[in-house]
Amino acid sequence: GAGVSQTPSNKVTEKGKYVELRCDPISGHTALYWYRQSLGQGPEFLIYFQGTGAADDSGLPNDRFFAVRPEGSVSTLKIQRTERGDSAVYLCASSLGGYSSTDTQYFGPGTRLTVL
Amino acid sequence: DQQVKQNSPSLSVQEGRISILNCDYTNSMFDYFLWYKKYPAEGPTFLISISSIKDKNEDGRFTVFLNKSAKHLSLHIVPSQPGDSAVYFCAARDLYNFNKFYFGSGTKLNVKP
Repeated sequence: GAGVSQTPSNKVTEKGKYVELRCDPISGHTALYWYRQSLGQGPEFLIYFQGTGAADDSGLPNDRFFAVRPEGSVSTLKIQRTERGDSAVYLCASSLGGYSSTDTQYFGPGTRLTVL
Repeated sequence: DQQVKQNSPSLSVQEGRISILNCDYTNSMFDYFLWYKKYPAEGPTFLISISSIKDKNEDGRFTVFLNKSAKHLSLHIVPSQPGDSAVYFCAARDLYNFNKFYFGSGTKLNVKP
């Protein structure tokens, strides 16, 4: 079946602008994660959704970052007043959810955000 | 403060030989560890995992070893194949924070034909 998809694949914006990044998880997956991967680093946890609610948003760096998942499927990561330091690849992952130790995360290809 | 560390940014191995990728962690509350493989322009894909109650897990050519006392895990690939060339990430999960995963910075493996 279809995997996790993310749009756009690339986004170039100017400092101070607002951007939205979209994630379509695997159908039936109740858990959804956003990560940020800076150059030369591993993915860094941002936020985790279980269904429609943000169960853990402790990784969001500041209040310029916000994410929603209104119907428990598609999620949008929103970044206000973008800064050059926000440039990174933003990864989305989904999983079946729940508290199984074998709950595997499936990643999308990421959105490469460049803030000029 | 990085809780999961991969100190070797790159590794080069001859085809057919063993590849050993290492990972260290600092948080003693980590109870579940995973390895992901990433090709360019793709997201990471799950490779193999191990629970903290085990010290070894094997899946085909891939074996993960866990040394809890040393807070160290390693991924062995044998025999290595050119298609294994990718970036490998080690990840860990906190026992009390079931859905928050911490990733290392990755090791780029190059398997030479």
